[in-house]
Amino acid sequence: DTEVTQTPKHLVMGMTNKKSLKCEQHMGHRAMYWYKQKAKKPPELMFVYSYEKLSINESVPSRFSPECPNSSLLNLHLHALQPEDSALYLCASSQGRATSNTGELFFGEGSRLTVL
Amino acid sequence: QQQVKQSPQSLIVQKGGISIINCAYENTAFDYFPWYQQFPGKGPALLIAIRPDVSEKKEGRFTISFNKSAKQFSLHIMDSQPGDSATYFCAASMKAAGNKLTFGGGTRVLVKP
Repeated sequence: DTEVTQTPKHLVMGMTNKKSLKCEQHMGHRAMYWYKQKAKKPPELMFVYSYEKLSINESVPSRFSPECPNSSLLNLHLHALQPEDSALYLCASSQGRATSNTGELFFGEGSRLTVL
Repeated sequence: QQQVKQSPQSLIVQKGGISIINCAYENTAFDYFPWYQQFPGKGPALLIAIRPDVSEKKEGRFTISFNKSAKQFSLHIMDSQPGDSATYFCAASMKAAGNKLTFGGGTRVLVKP
């Protein structure tokens, strides 16, 4: 079982809704990530938090707003999304700083988002 | 310079056979090469990884072969089992870019009983 927990597992929202995805890890990891994955494609990096500070934003549209309240929690706030934003959203964590470069990410099972 | 190319896109192998997935990269600054395994409805999970100072790494039935001069690396799954049916992603990262993984396109492996 994964040690990175994501909720909800499934989410359906309209284009005018505001919703949030949540991620939690209790492995003491200090780097946390949001990835987006379309069907039959590899995960695409969206955001990286290192020691609760945003360190990488891969030019993600502002309708996606990340938040890292503490070292164990990571949220992704969603507002005014488009149907093309429908995808599997994966949270991941890793030990130490994001620059430690072990490449060893621990992924959650993802939140499958459908935008109508 | 950030691209990692993976082949084949899909692979069918009989139970007990060998599955071979190949990846090629361009950026010689990459210094960490993990393989992730993803089952349907699940997130990717680290399977095995290698650094460029090693030419081969084996963990159980899974082996990574690394050819630094050719900028290629491959995953061999020996004695493939139906439970190995999944999508496999190679990836690469470099210290200068933090823990940012560049993924290959993925290979869907189906092991027939």
